[in-house]
Amino acid sequence: GESVGLHLPTLSVQEGDNSIINCAYSNSASDYFIWYKQESGKGPQFIIDIRSNMDKRQGQRVTVLLNKTVKHLSLQIAATQPGDSAVYFCAEIWNTGFQKLVFGTGTRLLVSP
Amino acid sequence: DAGITQSPRHKVTETGTPVTLRCHQTENHRYMYWYRQDPGHGLRLIHYSYGVKDTDKGEVSDGYSVSRSKTEDFLLTLESATSSQTSVYFCAISVSGTQETQYFGPGTRLLVL
Repeated sequence: GESVGLHLPTLSVQEGDNSIINCAYSNSASDYFIWYKQESGKGPQFIIDIRSNMDKRQGQRVTVLLNKTVKHLSLQIAATQPGDSAVYFCAEIWNTGFQKLVFGTGTRLLVSP
Repeated sequence: DAGITQSPRHKVTETGTPVTLRCHQTENHRYMYWYRQDPGHGLRLIHYSYGVKDTDKGEVSDGYSVSRSKTEDFLLTLESATSSQTSVYFCAISVSGTQETQYFGPGTRLLVL
């Protein structure tokens, strides 16, 4: 399948630490990227997005970094909380006549109190 | 869940029976999508719709059909369910068809025996 993947399948952190979740993508033509959070038994929830004309975008406690040179995306979560425990997906948009959202398989973030 | 509901939320059925899943949205978004989520595969697009009676196939459309007779409803039918269609099914919407975040419903967990 398409190569939108994650380097670490599981990331364990302590409450209060900063978390970094990484993602590699293969389509150099992709120009829009999204991070989703999925809690157990729920649908993916939009966290933050970034367009390819940006290197960094910040939200509330989250920052997404985009490095187009090496086709790498990362999600940084500041002061990680137990409620951040979930699976995180990166996704890229392929413009194939319609918006094709290509997902990675996900990274599980475990936050210990 | 961006005004998206899915029904049923859980279903158990037998191989060979037809199954219809419903996605309902309250915000008149033009684009609607059906995905399935399986371990090791992430989210994969089954079908999508870009308007009433306008639908097209995604990457894993075999064994599935869809219908959209009203803006607010997008139905996914498994014509003759197989065990390989055991999965969690998510509906999503987007405001436009390109460069746009998709928002997901809560999912339907389907077990085909």
